[in-house]
Amino acid sequence: EAGVVQSPRYKIIEKKQPVAFWCNPISGHNTLYWYRQNLGQGPELLIRYENEEAVDDSQLPKDRFSAERLKGVDSTLKIQPAELGDSAVYLCASSLAAHSRETQYFGPGTRLLVL
Amino acid sequence: KQEVTQIPAALSVPEGENLVLNCSFTDSAIYNLQWFRQDPGKGLTSLLLIQSSQREQTSGRLNASLDKSSGRSTLYIAASQPGDSATYLCASGGGADGLTFGKGTHLIIQP
Repeated sequence: EAGVVQSPRYKIIEKKQPVAFWCNPISGHNTLYWYRQNLGQGPELLIRYENEEAVDDSQLPKDRFSAERLKGVDSTLKIQPAELGDSAVYLCASSLAAHSRETQYFGPGTRLLVL
Repeated sequence: KQEVTQIPAALSVPEGENLVLNCSFTDSAIYNLQWFRQDPGKGLTSLLLIQSSQREQTSGRLNASLDKSSGRSTLYIAASQPGDSATYLCASGGGADGLTFGKGTHLIIQP
């Protein structure tokens, strides 16, 4: 069974440029999460989807970040415009159900460097 | 707001030793406690998931315990091997929310 797929794996951009990350969760997983992991820190939740609905986006910086999950499968996270402080690893995870009793499975992440 | 702390931040031990990684959390109203492994440049791999009603879980050389009342969890690694070198993260699950992670313990097993 394929795991969570993310692309691109690496991205280098100049500040003020837009960038987008893509995630394909494990087949059949209804819940999808986006996390951001800064260097030397644990991941922090940005947004959680249940099917196509964003049910928790309280930690998403809405002035420059946006996300979508069309048809309740793949998801895209966008930053526009990017700032130097956005350099981090962006991780996507999925689980069978919404509540935390289920294991979350993580993708390899997209490592973003903003110059 | 839940806070998760991991001690030590880094650990280096000779191959073959048994070791313990510690995790503490401030809010005991958790659904579960999960331990992950992260290799450099890679995503997170789930090692053990302990539900709130459980005291411990075991997988091979790994054993994780949970004491909700004291807000603590430990990950015990027996007979450590160089391949165990990685960063170990613990995370608390608080219901319908995402996981709250600690900063991790960077583990090096010396051959």
